[in-house]
Amino acid sequence: NAGVTQTPKFQVLKTGQSMTLQCAQDMNHNSMYWYRQDPGMGLRLIYYSASEGTTDKGEVPNGYNVSRLNKREFSLRLESAAPSQTSVYFCASSDWTGKRNTEAFFGQGTRLTVV
Amino acid sequence: SQQGEEDPQALSIQEGENATMNCSYKTSINNLQWYRQNSGRGLVHLILIRSNEREKHSGRLRVTLDTSKKSSSLLITASRAADTASYFCATDADTNAGKSTFGDGTTLTVKP
Repeated sequence: NAGVTQTPKFQVLKTGQSMTLQCAQDMNHNSMYWYRQDPGMGLRLIYYSASEGTTDKGEVPNGYNVSRLNKREFSLRLESAAPSQTSVYFCASSDWTGKRNTEAFFGQGTRLTVV
Repeated sequence: SQQGEEDPQALSIQEGENATMNCSYKTSINNLQWYRQNSGRGLVHLILIRSNEREKHSGRLRVTLDTSKKSSSLLITASRAADTASYFCATDADTNAGKSTFGDGTTLTVKP
């Protein structure tokens, strides 16, 4: 059971380039999330998707877009990368049913450097 | 802004000792969760405690929650070198989409 799979694991971009981070989960979870983690800090929520077909902004959405392609896949797009977006990006999913929060399962992260 | 704040930021102990980490938060919550992150890896869920619970155990882990003080603690007993990691508390202030807000973490080093 793979859990949450993110690609790529590492990426270097030049300022102004665009890219899409891919995330897929095989646990049939309703909710999926994108976080970023800067050095020495906790995770900050970028976007989330409560269910297939819905997406909402989190704490730090500026400069990002997302697509919930289907129940399994949730992608994060940087349209015009900036050095401030250098970070480690984590995708997560949870079996949220609309009633109570449950544990989240995380991918291994994408280490993105923007030069 | 971060909801949960862990204390201390860093903790170094000898193998076999107990490690205690604290988390304080600002607003009312439904649940509080603790996660572990090994260097360069994703987060792994350790334990979830609901707002109507005061204490929970899982193996060598003991979590307490004091909603009146808006604080939680994670105790790891008989620590091992393999417990070396960063530990994060995550608060669930509402049930909308199962979102959690993470603190900045405590970095635990267990020396063999």
